[in-house]
Amino acid sequence: QSVLTQPPSASGTPGQRVIISCSGSSSNIGSNSAYWYQQLPGTAPKLLIYRSNQRPSGVPDRFSGSKSGTSASLAISGLRSEDEADYYCSAWDDTLSAVVFGGGTKLTVL
Amino acid sequence: QITLKESGPTLLKPTQTLRLTCTFSGFSLTTSGVGVAWVRQPPGKALDWLALIYGNDVKRYSPSLKTRLTITRDTSKNQVVLTMTNMDPVDTATYYCAHDDPGGFGMDVWGQGTTVTVSS
Repeated sequence: QSVLTQPPSASGTPGQRVIISCSGSSSNIGSNSAYWYQQLPGTAPKLLIYRSNQRPSGVPDRFSGSKSGTSASLAISGLRSEDEADYYCSAWDDTLSAVVFGGGTKLTVL
Repeated sequence: QITLKESGPTLLKPTQTLRLTCTFSGFSLTTSGVGVAWVRQPPGKALDWLALIYGNDVKRYSPSLKTRLTITRDTSKNQVVLTMTNMDPVDTATYYCAHDDPGGFGMDVWGQGTTVTVSS
């Protein structure tokens, strides 16, 4: 059971916009930044969004992050086949004094 | 350019101790805002944060694994070592080290990972 809650799966067709949610609590997302990672099959995770809504250089602007209260969201617009991957959110938890992850969302491009 | 690479045994027997080394370049682990974390991922499962060490030697551990983990740094070798005692088959996973985002508690650059199997 993950501390952060993500839908196990999401899907969309090429060109569509997909949103993946990450629900937490006041001790994690509610008081700290959210991070998003993309993990392509057989590879290490890659940072997609940091400090809730910042994109590292090299990440397409089709990816965007937001945070509201105790939840964070990752939006992917103009969906492409290469976006098919697992997506994870994370945040620092003040109560646990640890980083917590979501259970991951498997994105399928139909 | 920041890079990290994990190394260590690929196969362990139950009850043995795992010692993993993360060798990094492109930054120095000698200041308080700089950190290296360890994260693992069992086959087909989610990411699981294990530990974090900062350049001022402050350490943080996963509460559920705290009694089994030790994280240390060797600044002369640019290495971080994670030790996990009393290994069990459920600890079979790919273990990653990663550079910690100085402005938060996320991992901005990851190593390629190393797979550890625990089996008798």
